[in-house]
Amino acid sequence: GESVGLHLPTLSVQEGDNSIINCAYSNSASDYFIWYKQESGKGPQFIIDIRSNMDKRQGQRVTVLLNKTVKHLSLQIAATQPGDSAVYFCAENIVGGGADGLTFGKGTHLIIQP
Amino acid sequence: KAGVTQTPRYLIKTRGQQVTLSCSPISGHRSVSWYQQTPGQGLQFLFEYFSETQRNKGNFPGRFSGRQFSNSRSEMNVSTLELGDSALYLCASRARERSDTQYFGPGTRLTVL
Repeated sequence: GESVGLHLPTLSVQEGDNSIINCAYSNSASDYFIWYKQESGKGPQFIIDIRSNMDKRQGQRVTVLLNKTVKHLSLQIAATQPGDSAVYFCAENIVGGGADGLTFGKGTHLIIQP
Repeated sequence: KAGVTQTPRYLIKTRGQQVTLSCSPISGHRSVSWYQQTPGQGLQFLFEYFSETQRNKGNFPGRFSGRQFSNSRSEMNVSTLELGDSALYLCASRARERSDTQYFGPGTRLTVL
């Protein structure tokens, strides 16, 4: 979930297990949501996105769920691998209007245990 | 297709100096956005340029400025550096002004002493 202050929430899972990372967004006008993965020393890498007219979208080993009623977003990673270890950020935006900049959550640190 | 590139990757400056960072977007992308990433504040939007024009600006002081060239390459400048400006500065490009997927570069790590 979202962090408070300086501390990043940490999620530790066993290799091969499924993981779920949660995010609460703040702007009810946001209609476009993205998940990014950031490895140490690298920039954020696009994983998957979803628009507000959908509540679920699947990619390769990843699924994003959107609940607009409670302004909640989640990222599910199936059969986690060591390479999935990273910080995961959700980001929100307004399509076609509003600020063009993405608003990011604080991030969740996913640790894969061998 | 090559990704977003940023130069330099690391930079050390002292308080009061100014710094210029460079970003080359993905070929064919016309929009470039800049973000600041710090442990305390996370990722924060600085500004976005499209076709050499600043389209939007985040909540940063006027010491932070940028520009975009006709080839879509962008620079950002920070004047009168403060210790709190130490951060990872990330550049992201997207294909069109209203195209939503932004692709990030590796960032420039700025340390202000």
